[in-house]
Amino acid sequence: SAVISQKPSRDICQRGTSLTIQCQVDSQVTMMFWYRQQPGQSLTLIATANQGSEATYESGFVIDKFPISRPNLTFSTLTVSNMSPEDSSIYLCSVATGMATEAFFGQGTRLTVV
Amino acid sequence: RKEVEQDPGPFNVPEGATVAFNCTYSNSASQSFFWYRQDCRKEPKLLMSVYSSGNEDGRFTAQLNRASQYISLLIRDSKLSDSATYLCVVNGGSQGNLIFGKGTKLSVKP
Repeated sequence: SAVISQKPSRDICQRGTSLTIQCQVDSQVTMMFWYRQQPGQSLTLIATANQGSEATYESGFVIDKFPISRPNLTFSTLTVSNMSPEDSSIYLCSVATGMATEAFFGQGTRLTVV
Repeated sequence: RKEVEQDPGPFNVPEGATVAFNCTYSNSASQSFFWYRQDCRKEPKLLMSVYSSGNEDGRFTAQLNRASQYISLLIRDSKLSDSATYLCVVNGGSQGNLIFGKGTKLSVKP
C-alpha cells in the first residue's frame, strides 16, 4: 500500500480566506481523489485530480471553489477558497492504482471555519 | 435509492459477541467490493476486500451476493478494539472512484 502524507492535519480559518491542503504519496499512483466528510456523514467525492490537466469535478463541486493541482504522479493540492462555516469538514486525499482497486487515504485535514 | 446503503446502527454488543453488518448497492455493474474501518477522527482503512466466493480473515468473514446486490460482514468473538465505524464500499463511480456507504457504528462493551 502507498504511504500518503497529508497536511495540514487541522486548521481553523477565518471566513473569506482560502486554505491549501497538500497530499504527497511515496510512490507514483495512477489515480488521486479528493473527498469531503462532513460530521456524521460518509465520504463524498469532490474531484479526481488528473496529472497534467484540469481536475474532474463531481456534481455540486466547482473549480472556482475547490481548485486542484496535480503536477506529477505523487503530489496534489486541494484549495478551499473563500471559505464559509459550511466548509467546515474533513478533507481526505485518496489514491488508487486502478479503477477497480482499493483506495488508500491520507490522514485527513480537519477544517474549521469561523 | 442510494448507491450504497447500510444498516443504520449503532450496534452495541458485549465482548465475545458475533455481529453482522449488511449492505446493499444499486449499481449492478460494480466489480469491486470492500469493507473499510474508520476509527473516530481517523481516516478510513481497508479492512478487507469482498469476493464472490466469500472470504475470511481471522474473525472477519465477508460475503457477496451479486444477484441480490448484497454484501455482508460478520465479526466473531468481538473485541473492544473492534469498536469503530464500518464502511461498505463499492467501485463504480463515474470517475473510477469508490462509493462509500454512510457506515455502521459498532461499540463493543466489556
